[in-house]
Amino acid sequence: AQSVTQLGSHVSVSEGALVLLRCNYSSSVPPYLFWYVQYPNQGLQLLLKYTSAATLVKGINGFEAEFKKSETSFHLTKPSAHMSDAAEYFCAVSTNTGNQFYFGTGTSLTVIP
Amino acid sequence: NAGVTQTPKFQVLKTGQSMTLQCAQDMNHEYMSWYRQDPGMGLRLIHYSVGAGITDQGEVPNGYNVSRSTTEDFPLRLLSAAPSQTSVYFCASSYSLGSGQPQHFGDGTRLSIL
Repeated sequence: AQSVTQLGSHVSVSEGALVLLRCNYSSSVPPYLFWYVQYPNQGLQLLLKYTSAATLVKGINGFEAEFKKSETSFHLTKPSAHMSDAAEYFCAVSTNTGNQFYFGTGTSLTVIP
Repeated sequence: NAGVTQTPKFQVLKTGQSMTLQCAQDMNHEYMSWYRQDPGMGLRLIHYSVGAGITDQGEVPNGYNVSRSTTEDFPLRLLSAAPSQTSVYFCASSYSLGSGQPQHFGDGTRLSIL
């Protein structure tokens, strides 16, 4: 089975500061990894995905994530936070042998002006 | 260019009532799923389907029923609503999970059970 752990249910950063949201996964087979963003009262929107190609993945809105197999991590980063980045962020894992996505419990990002 | 459409967007029910949450996708996706989202618990899978006529249970299936008669539609039925089913429900679809395809989400149905 697979699982995802997101460290830090709430993260606050100043506008212009680095954003780092942590995601660690557990999988007995090579994983597919995803980051989604959820704005208030909306559904989830795909930010980026890792599917065994380049380990550094670039997504929308200036976000990127790096797959590190040795650390079983897929942390999300953005060099400079904008006010519009305030949202809930979810990490998820799936595999080529399963029929489910496994989501982390989410990280709420607050951007302080 | 509708994607995944969920109806209704909001609903208030009384305990014991039944209702159906509708989900439709126009992307010809084989995989569809239902999640509930509760504070601090992320998204929990209720039921999923890998194609028309095929459904299976997820993590929290009790009190819910699904069917998949067409590729496009995947309704979720609450058989006898309970206050514990107050939640936000999301439907999602994907071309194929096994090939690393992402899921596309609807905007959700906010359900309150009194």
